[in-house]
Formats: sequence, C-alpha cells, structure tokens
Amino acid sequence: DAGVIQSPRHEVTEMGQEVTLRCKPISGHNSLFWYRQTMMRGLELLIYFNNNVPIDDSGMPEDRFSAKMPNASFSTLKIQPSEPRDSAVYFCASSGTPRGNSPLHFGNGTRLTVT
Amino acid sequence: GQQVMQIPQYQHVQEGEDFTTYCNSSTTLSNIQWYKQRPGGHPVFLIQLVKSGEVKKQKRLTFQFGEAKKNSSLHITATQTTDVGTYFCANPGGGNKLTFGTGTQLKVEL
Repeated sequence: DAGVIQSPRHEVTEMGQEVTLRCKPISGHNSLFWYRQTMMRGLELLIYFNNNVPIDDSGMPEDRFSAKMPNASFSTLKIQPSEPRDSAVYFCASSGTPRGNSPLHFGNGTRLTVT
Repeated sequence: GQQVMQIPQYQHVQEGEDFTTYCNSSTTLSNIQWYKQRPGGHPVFLIQLVKSGEVKKQKRLTFQFGEAKKNSSLHITATQTTDVGTYFCANPGGGNKLTFGTGTQLKVEL
C-alpha cells in the first residue's frame, strides 16, 4: 500500500503566482479531503469529495482557492493568485467509505511558502 | 461538525510521568477519533470510540468516551520520548466531514 501521495513536498513561490498541489489517494478509497494546517488555526478542512464529487467546500477560504477531482486517483488544489497568508502545510487525506466513521489516511503534506 | 476543545494546549512531562489530554464538546458526538502527529509529520489515526462509556487500550495508551458522549480522553502511562507529538481528537459532522480538535502538544524530557 503506497499510501496517500502528495506533490510537491515543498513549494516556495512569490505572491501573485499560481500554485497547484497534487494528491493521489489510496487506491479504492471513495473519499478525499484537503486540509490546511497553521499554528494559528490548526487543522482546517477546506473541501472534501465523495466518489469524485465535491460535497462540502465551505472551508475554502476564498475564490482564489479551487479544487478538482477529475478521477478516482487524482485531485488538485489550486491557489490563484497566491498570497503570503496562504503559507501553510496542506494535507490531502483519503478514507475508504463515504461514512462518518471511517479513519482518514493522510499524505505527507505540501509545505507552501508564499513570499 | 463543531470543533471540539482540547486541553491542555501544551504539556511538558519528564520521561516516565503520565499524560492526559481531554476533548470536550457541547453537543453529543456519534463517535470520536484520535490521531497523533509527530513533529514535521502528518496525522496518523490511532483509534475510534463509538459507544457511550467505551474504554479502549493500546499498550500504554488508554482512550475513554464519556457516558454522555460529549467528552473523551487519552491517557498515556509512563511516557517515553517516542510519545512526543501532537494528539488530536476529531469528530464527524454531516456526511463524513471530520473536524479536528485544537490538539495537545506533548513534549517529553529525559
């Protein structure tokens, strides 16, 4: 089991640039989650998908953020344009069933720094 | 789901001492999950509690779910340096939305 795979591991970019984070969930998992972690706000759920369909994007901070899941094995989180306050660790996670009692498996995260 | 509050926010202990972190919710929870995040790492699932008053053990870790299903605790007996990290509880909201608590950061000193 390769686990949840995220890329890149680190991203440093300048304010105003577009940033794309990528995630490959565990094969066979039906749900995919994007979280953001900062010291100030902790672990925040941005958006999650069930069977490739976005279910709840209420955590997406602004229109600058968008997420897609074109198929069961790939998802992207895009920030355009990026701002320094977007600096954080972004985690992707997947779970086996679209039910409220399935544990999440997290990727190693992408550490984003916007200067 | 409503974010559960965790206390304490930080805890420093000497190796061998016990450690407890608490999660409290103002609403009844259907279940609660616990995760551990090592420094520089990602959250890793530890356990899930579902039943009122449930107690589960994993070696030196003891997890409890309150009778009213509004609170939960994680107790570590005789901490070791390998226990260092941040411990999160998490509760499900609508659908399979999982909201994480504020976390308790544990530091263990020799």
